Amino acid sequence: AQSVTQLDSQVPVFEEAPVELRCNYSSSVSVYLFWYVQYPNQGLQLLLKYLSGSTLVESINGFEAEFNKSQTSFHLRKPSVHISDTAEYFCAVSSRTGGFKTIFGAGTRLFVKA
Amino acid sequence: EADIYQTPRYLVIGTGKKITLECSQTMGHDKMYWYQQDPGMELHLIHYSYGVNSTEKGDLSSESTVSRIRTEHFPLTLESARPSHTSQYLCASSEGRERANTGELFFGEGSRLTVL
Repeated sequence: AQSVTQLDSQVPVFEEAPVELRCNYSSSVSVYLFWYVQYPNQGLQLLLKYLSGSTLVESINGFEAEFNKSQTSFHLRKPSVHISDTAEYFCAVSSRTGGFKTIFGAGTRLFVKA
Repeated sequence: EADIYQTPRYLVIGTGKKITLECSQTMGHDKMYWYQQDPGMELHLIHYSYGVNSTEKGDLSSESTVSRIRTEHFPLTLESARPSHTSQYLCASSEGRERANTGELFFGEGSRLTVL
């Protein structure tokens, strides 16, 4: 069975500092990996995804994540955060053999301080 | 730009009332889902549908029911609301065609329900 572990429930960071939100998954098959972002009182929005090909994927607002198959990780990074990045971030995994059922992590709350 | 819509966004009702949360998508997706999310907490899948007239219960037991009479519409109903039903309900959809399916989900903005 697939599972997703987000190692930090909350990550406080100062504005313009770098940040890494950690995500590990367990699966014995090829997977698709996602990061979703949820701003207060809103639904989830796709931030970035890994389907195949290059293991480094990027979003339009400066986030990036690297698929590491040997470490079964998909950590999310940003070199310099803004106040507006304050949100909840969810890591998720799905697979063809799992019927594309999406498994979510418990979420990491990123809090950017001025 | 959202292609999946939920109404109402916010609802405050008394105990015992019947409520229906509406969800519609314009992307032609076969698969639709309802998630329950308490504030600051993880997502729990409560219902899903892989097509018209197909509905299944999710991982978290829920007293709500759903229907899928049209591809684009997936309403959730509570026959008799209780304070324990207070939560945020998120609707989502995904591509159903085998070759295009990756598990990527498209979410509505959510319906926040408060039962007094």
